[in-house]
Amino acid sequence: QVQLQESGPGLVKPSETLSLTCTVSGDSMNSYYWNWIRQSPGKGLEWIGYIYYSGSAHYNPSLKSRVTISVDTSRNQFSLNLTSVTAADTAVYFCGRSLSSSLDSWGQGTLVSVSS
Amino acid sequence: EIVLTQSPGTLSLSPGERATLSCRASQSVSSRYLAWYQQKHGQAPRLLIFDTSSRATGIPARFSGSGSGTDFTLTISRLEPEDFAVYYCQQYDSSPRMYIFGQGTKLEIK
Repeated sequence: QVQLQESGPGLVKPSETLSLTCTVSGDSMNSYYWNWIRQSPGKGLEWIGYIYYSGSAHYNPSLKSRVTISVDTSRNQFSLNLTSVTAADTAVYFCGRSLSSSLDSWGQGTLVSVSS
Repeated sequence: EIVLTQSPGTLSLSPGERATLSCRASQSVSSRYLAWYQQKHGQAPRLLIFDTSSRATGIPARFSGSGSGTDFTLTISRLEPEDFAVYYCQQYDSSPRMYIFGQGTKLEIK
């Protein structure tokens, strides 16, 4: 059974870059899409983007100018970089796996706060 | 971009009752691309239903999905205490390629 675990700083300063990593265990990364999703406190879910195991990525148009997702299948990891963060980027960030049109496995989530 | 609107915002029911949750899309979507998730407080969402009506692995038969076009429904036939949570519908938009979530329905104990 696949497991996903997010890691990274819990506090980022405004205007800096938010960087998170998701480590995948229990299954190969091949043939899947690897996603980042966030949830602002008390709010709904917002999809950030995904990367195919081969390296092709797609992003939410509303965040596209600030987001980069990368993958390292040799380390069973994929990563999120979100630049020029503001308080509006404070959220729980989840990583997730999808095969086609739904996300069948999720990490537990990690809270990232943006504050000076 | 497609917008998903879930109703009601909050649904108050008792264990043993039937729950019907609605998800309406702003334009017609493929039934292959509609999913439902359950999220309990402090936890990640859990996939319940994919492709409109297929239950994910380990999901009890009391959960069912239906619909087509712009109107989709998640039904919980007889509520168990562990079913009280927030439910999200999600659609995959193939152009542009992205996942879109509804705003959620909170299912609370009456």
